Amino acid sequence: EAEVAQSPRYKITEKSQAVAFWCDPISGHATLYWYRQILGQGPELLVQFQDESVVDDSQLPKDRFSAERLKGVDSTLKIQPAELGDSAMYLCASSYGTGHTDTQYFGPGTRLTVL
Amino acid sequence: GIQVEQSPPDLILQEGANSTLRCNFSDSVNNLQWFHQNPWGQLINLFYIPSGTKQNGRLSATTVATERYSLLYISSSQTTDSGVYFCAALTGGFKTIFGAGTRLFVKA
Repeated sequence: EAEVAQSPRYKITEKSQAVAFWCDPISGHATLYWYRQILGQGPELLVQFQDESVVDDSQLPKDRFSAERLKGVDSTLKIQPAELGDSAMYLCASSYGTGHTDTQYFGPGTRLTVL
Repeated sequence: GIQVEQSPPDLILQEGANSTLRCNFSDSVNNLQWFHQNPWGQLINLFYIPSGTKQNGRLSATTVATERYSLLYISSSQTTDSGVYFCAALTGGFKTIFGAGTRLFVKA
């Protein structure tokens, strides 16, 4: 069964350093999502791509976060510089269509710890 | 924006018991999903259910869109059902909003 791949699974970094997360969606899925999940809370959508275009990035802290999906397939989420409050699980998901009528499938996540 | 509220926040069950989890949303939605997050953090799809009723084994879900709520039923609970259950609503503005989750612990 096809799965969403993410790497790394765990990342420990010091504040002010740069970090990057990678996501490979299920083959053929046009929509890709990045979520942040703080411990004890539900996931919060950071950015949504339709193919290579950003559909929504209203919750992305653009002063330090950036996301790209250059060829409309895999995607990278970057944080520079990392802050203590960025410690969280970063989840990637994909869906076949726009998401309005499609199930979102999640990857295993990247757990980030900022020291 | 739309608010998604889940209840109860925490639930402890004896193995074999049944339970009902509730998800209320404050506005009309295009999509409603239920997920189970296991202890390793993986979110697993349970149901895509914008309206109506679906069943999958011991789990079933019902969404009454006109009254803005969805229910997840777990029957004959097992220890492996432990974890956090989330509902997520997709609004007309393409935004997916998750509830805060229901933390379930099933005792052997």
